[in-house]
Amino acid sequence: EAGVAQSPRYKIIEKRQSVAFWCNPISGHATLYWYQQILGQGPKLLIQFQNNGVVDDSQLPKDRFSAERLKGVDSTLKIQPAKLEDSAVYLCASSSLGGNSPLHFGNGTRLTVT
Amino acid sequence: AQSVTQPDIHITVSEGASLELRCNYSYGATPYLFWYVQSPGQGLQLLLKYFSGDTLVQGIKGFEAEFKRSQSSFNLRKPSVHWSDAAEYFCAVGAGLTGGGNKLTFGTGTQLKVEL
Repeated sequence: EAGVAQSPRYKIIEKRQSVAFWCNPISGHATLYWYQQILGQGPKLLIQFQNNGVVDDSQLPKDRFSAERLKGVDSTLKIQPAKLEDSAVYLCASSSLGGNSPLHFGNGTRLTVT
Repeated sequence: AQSVTQPDIHITVSEGASLELRCNYSYGATPYLFWYVQSPGQGLQLLLKYFSGDTLVQGIKGFEAEFKRSQSSFNLRKPSVHWSDAAEYFCAVGAGLTGGGNKLTFGTGTQLKVEL
């Protein structure tokens, strides 16, 4: 089966600019997650969708970050305006609905904010 | 709130030697526990998972982990390390959510270096 697809792989922007990341989950996976992984740290959950509804966005900096999953499949994560501390790898993951379902991760988008 | 501690930031082992990576978790109920591996520039790949039952779980690539409730630990082991095992390893604890999905909290990772 095809894995989780993410694009772009790399992005370099200046602070205060905006950026968007795209994710296509594994077919049939109802749950989609965006994680932020800062260098030297473990991934941190930003937002979790079930189908096209938000399950958990408690750690999403909502003043600058937004995410959507309009048709319950693809998702986009946007940052506007970006700050230096947003430099990180943004990982998308998906899983099926079962409470013990493992997460399947994409290769991530590495964002550098200068 | 759930949390994970990986006390070793870096570990170096010789090829062919045994390996143990430590993981301690904090969670109020019976946890779902995972080990993931991340190679440079790649996403995270699931090595193994524990939900219930036998406390010794087998994973891919010859890895195994043992759940010890009394010690709140879920250490990862491999009897003989290969050079290709060099990567970063993450332990995670998950809370199954009503209605589906899984909220994972990751540790800070252990970077494994393998000497030839």
